Amino acid sequence: ILNVEQSPQSLHVQEGDSTNFTCSFPSSNFYALHWYRWETAKSPEALFVMTLNGDEKKKGRISATLNTKEGYSYLYIKGSQPEDSATYLCACDNYGQNFVFGPGTRLSVLP
Amino acid sequence: NAGVTQTPKFQVLKTGQSMTLQCAQDMNHEYMSWYRQDPGMGLRLIHYSVGAGITDQGEVPNGYNVSRSTTEDFPLRLLSAAPSQTSVYFCASSYSTGDSSYNSPLHFGNGTRLTVT
Repeated sequence: ILNVEQSPQSLHVQEGDSTNFTCSFPSSNFYALHWYRWETAKSPEALFVMTLNGDEKKKGRISATLNTKEGYSYLYIKGSQPEDSATYLCACDNYGQNFVFGPGTRLSVLP
Repeated sequence: NAGVTQTPKFQVLKTGQSMTLQCAQDMNHEYMSWYRQDPGMGLRLIHYSVGAGITDQGEVPNGYNVSRSTTEDFPLRLLSAAPSQTSVYFCASSYSTGDSSYNSPLHFGNGTRLTVT
C-alpha cells in the first residue's frame, strides 16, 4: 500500500490570506493524483484530476500543480474566504487500479 | 440526478450482528468502491470493483464482503460486526473504460455512520 502524506495537518488563516498545502506520494508507477474538497457533514467533492508531470489546474481562486518526478502536488488558495473552510484531500493512484487517500489538510478561514 | 445513493444514513448494531450497507449509482459507472473514514486516518479503501462480476480487496478488507451483480449496485456486508468497525462508510464510483478509471474523479455518496456496541 503506497503512502500518501499531506501537510500541514491543519491550518488557520485570516480571510483574504492566500495559502497552500502539500501532498506527497511515491513517484514510481504514477498514474494520477486527485484533489478533493470535503466540507463538514457532506461528502468529498472532486476539485482536480492531474495526470501529467508539470500539470497546472485552476478553478476560480483554487489552483494545483503536479510534480510526478519528485512526488508532490501543491494546492493553492488565493484570497481565502470563510466558505473555503474544509478538509482538502489528495488521492494517488500508482497502479491504475485504485486510489490511496492522504489524511487531509483541515483549513479554517477566520472572518 | 441521484448520483451515488447510500442507505441507511445511520445504523447501530450490536457486536456479532450482520448487516448490509447499500450503495447504488445511476451514472453507469464501471468503477465502484467502499471506504471507511476514521478520525486522523483519512479514507481507507475496503473493497473495490472495476465492473459487474469483478471485485477486489483494498487496504482494510477483513470483516467485510462485497458483490457486484449489476453495474448499478455495490453492497457492503458486515458478516459479524465488531466495535472496531464503528466508522463512517463512503461508497464512491467513477467512470472508467478498461484501465482508465484513474483519470476520472470519484463521486461519493453521503455516507453511512455505523456504531457497533
